[in-house]
Amino acid sequence: QVQLQESGPGLVKPSQTLSLTCTVSGGSISSGGYYWSWIRQHPGKGLEWIGYIYYSGSTYYNPSLKSRVTISVDTSKNQFSLKLSSVTAADTAVYYCASAGELGNFDYWGQGTLVTVSS
Amino acid sequence: EIVLTQSPGTLSLSPGERATLSCRASQSVSSSYLAWYQQKPGQAPRLLIYGASSRATGIPDRFSGSGSGTDFTLTISRLEPEDFAVYYCQQKGTFGGGTKVEIK
Repeated sequence: QVQLQESGPGLVKPSQTLSLTCTVSGGSISSGGYYWSWIRQHPGKGLEWIGYIYYSGSTYYNPSLKSRVTISVDTSKNQFSLKLSSVTAADTAVYYCASAGELGNFDYWGQGTLVTVSS
Repeated sequence: EIVLTQSPGTLSLSPGERATLSCRASQSVSSSYLAWYQQKPGQAPRLLIYGASSRATGIPDRFSGSGSGTDFTLTISRLEPEDFAVYYCQQKGTFGGGTKVEIK
C-alpha cells in the first residue's frame, strides 16, 4: 500500500517561497503509472488542485497558480516537492500530496500539512 | 475550463435515510474521469468512486455512483453514522465545491 507524507515549514513569511516535500513509501515513483500531485485546502473551504508531476519530470499545473508553482521529483529519494513563490496570506492552507492514476483520480493521500503565511 | 457544481450545499438527513448528491459539469465530461471523495474533519479526502460508478477498494456497497455527460450522482443507500461528512466530486484538475451531509 502506497503511503505519502508531507514535510516542510508550517510558517512562511509573506513574499517568500513555500517549500514542501512528499515522501512516498510502499511504492516507487519511478515505476510509472502515477501522477504525483499537490492539492490544497483553504481553511473551511474546498479542494484546489495545484499540479502534478510524472516520474519522467513532465509537469502539469493549475493555470491559476502556474506562474508561481514548481513541482519537481527526486526518484533517488522517492520524493517529490512543491515550491510556491511570492506567497501571501491567501496561500494559507492545508497542503496535501496525493497520487493520481491514469484516470486522474487521487487514490492515495498524505495526511496534509498546514502552512500559514504570516509575518 | 470545466466547472463542477455540487448540490445541495448541505443535506440534513437521519441515519438510515437515503442520500442523493448531485454534481453537474459546465460541459460534457468523460465518465471515465469522474470521481467522488469523502472528507471528515481533520482528515484527508478518501476516494469513494472512480470512473463515475466504480467503487474504490474497501468502499461499502451502500455507496454508488451514476451519471454521464454533465450530470452525475452519488447515492448513499442507507446512511450510517460514519457517513456524515463532506463529499466532493472531481474531474481531472477540477473539484466541485462539496456537499456536507449532516445529521438531522
